[in-house]
Amino acid sequence: SQTIHQWPATLVQPVGSPLSLECTVEGTSNPNLYWYRQAAGRGLQLLFYSVGIGQISSEVPQNLSASRPQDRQFILSSKKLLLSDSGFYLCAWSEGVSTDTQYFGPGTRLTVL
Amino acid sequence: AQSVAQPEDQVNVAEGNPLTVKCTYSVSGNPYLFWYVQYPNRGLQFLLKYITGDNLVKGSYGFEAEFNKSQTSFHLKKPSALVSDSALYFCARLLMNTGFQKLVFGTGTRLLVSP
Repeated sequence: SQTIHQWPATLVQPVGSPLSLECTVEGTSNPNLYWYRQAAGRGLQLLFYSVGIGQISSEVPQNLSASRPQDRQFILSSKKLLLSDSGFYLCAWSEGVSTDTQYFGPGTRLTVL
Repeated sequence: AQSVAQPEDQVNVAEGNPLTVKCTYSVSGNPYLFWYVQYPNRGLQFLLKYITGDNLVKGSYGFEAEFNKSQTSFHLKKPSALVSDSALYFCARLLMNTGFQKLVFGTGTRLLVSP
């Protein structure tokens, strides 16, 4: 069966520091991968998606970037964090085509001070 | 444009009573609709989805949802609520772009089931 991992689970970082969040998926090949941010415990906003290695698309302009160095690894990064980057970051995967369900990881709680 | 709407910020239900969490969608093409549940500080868990076929969809943990085309709704239901059902529920719609599918979420409804 497929599983999705995210780490770290929680992170407290000062403003201006770099960021690296990691997501890995097991038990599937060539998944679609997604990064979402959930602010204030409610709305989810799609940040990035990837349909293959090295293929990243951004949904909204922001202080963050994403990379997919391996088939089942998705990394969210920032060179300099802003206060507004605080939130709950969720990684998700789907099989790819058509109407497949997206399955979410446990999330990373990021607090920027 | 809002693809799905969850009109209720919070729903309160007594344990053992039936529950309904509402979701409506905007009319545009074939709607592919999903329900997810989120417990505190956790990721989203998939409950069920409607793609095509039977209007009544059965999912995990005893939940079901009815797709109603005339009312453009996809309400989540459960015949008998449990205290452990208390969580945040999201309705979502799948939007199909070229070579890519994107989930657009509602704003979420908090369900509180009292003992």
